[in-house]
Amino acid sequence: SAVISQKPSRDICQRGTSLTIQCQVDSQVTMMFWYRQQPGQSLTLIATANQGSEATYESGFVIDKFPISRPNLTFSTLTVSNMSPEDSSIYLCSVAPTGIGVEQYFGPGTRLTVT
Amino acid sequence: AQSVTQPDIHITVSEGASLELRCNYSYGATPYLFWYVQSPGQGLQLLLKYFSGDTLVQGIKGFEAEFKRSQSSFNLRKPSVHWSDAAEYFCAVGALGGTSYGKLTFGQGTILTVHP
Repeated sequence: SAVISQKPSRDICQRGTSLTIQCQVDSQVTMMFWYRQQPGQSLTLIATANQGSEATYESGFVIDKFPISRPNLTFSTLTVSNMSPEDSSIYLCSVAPTGIGVEQYFGPGTRLTVT
Repeated sequence: AQSVTQPDIHITVSEGASLELRCNYSYGATPYLFWYVQSPGQGLQLLLKYFSGDTLVQGIKGFEAEFKRSQSSFNLRKPSVHWSDAAEYFCAVGALGGTSYGKLTFGQGTILTVHP
C-alpha cells in the first residue's frame, strides 16, 4: 500500500475564510479521492481527482465550494471555501495505488473546526 | 444506487471473546466489498477486501469476513478480540462502472468497545 500524508492535520478557522488541505503520496497514482466525515458520521465522497482531467464532483458538492487541484501523480489539494460551521469535519484523501479504483488507501485526515 | 447498512451502531465485547460485525449491502452488479477500521483521531485502515472467488477472505490483525450473496451480507469476524481492537469499523461497497467509477459507499460504522 501507499504512504499518504495530509497537511494540516488539524486547524481551527473562522467562518468566511478558506483552507487548503494538501495530500501527498509516496508513489505515483492515477486516482485520488477526497472524502468528508462529519462529526459522528460516516464518510461521503466529495470528488474524484484524476491527474490530467478536471475533478468529478458528487451530487451535493460543487467546485466553487470545494475546488480541487491535481498537478501531478503524487499530490492533490482540496480547498474548503467561504467556510461555515457546517463545514466542520474530517477531510480525508485516498488513493487507488493498485489500479483498481475501489481499492483505496486513506490518509490520516485533516480535522477542521470552523468557528 | 449502492448502499451499505451496518445494523449495530455500538457493540461491546469482553477481551478474548469472539466478534461478529454485520454488514448488508445493496448493489446491482458484482460487489466489491471492504472493511476498514478507524481508531480515534486516525484515518482509515483497510482490513480486508472481497472482489471475487473464495467467499471467506482473510485480512490483517486476525480478521476475516464472509461474503454471502444470497443474504447480501459481508460480516466481519474475529475469534478472539484484543483490547487494541477497540475502534470504529466501516463496511464499504465500491463501484467500478458508470459515472461513479471508484466511488466507495460506506456504512454508518460500528463502534467496538472491548472490556478487560
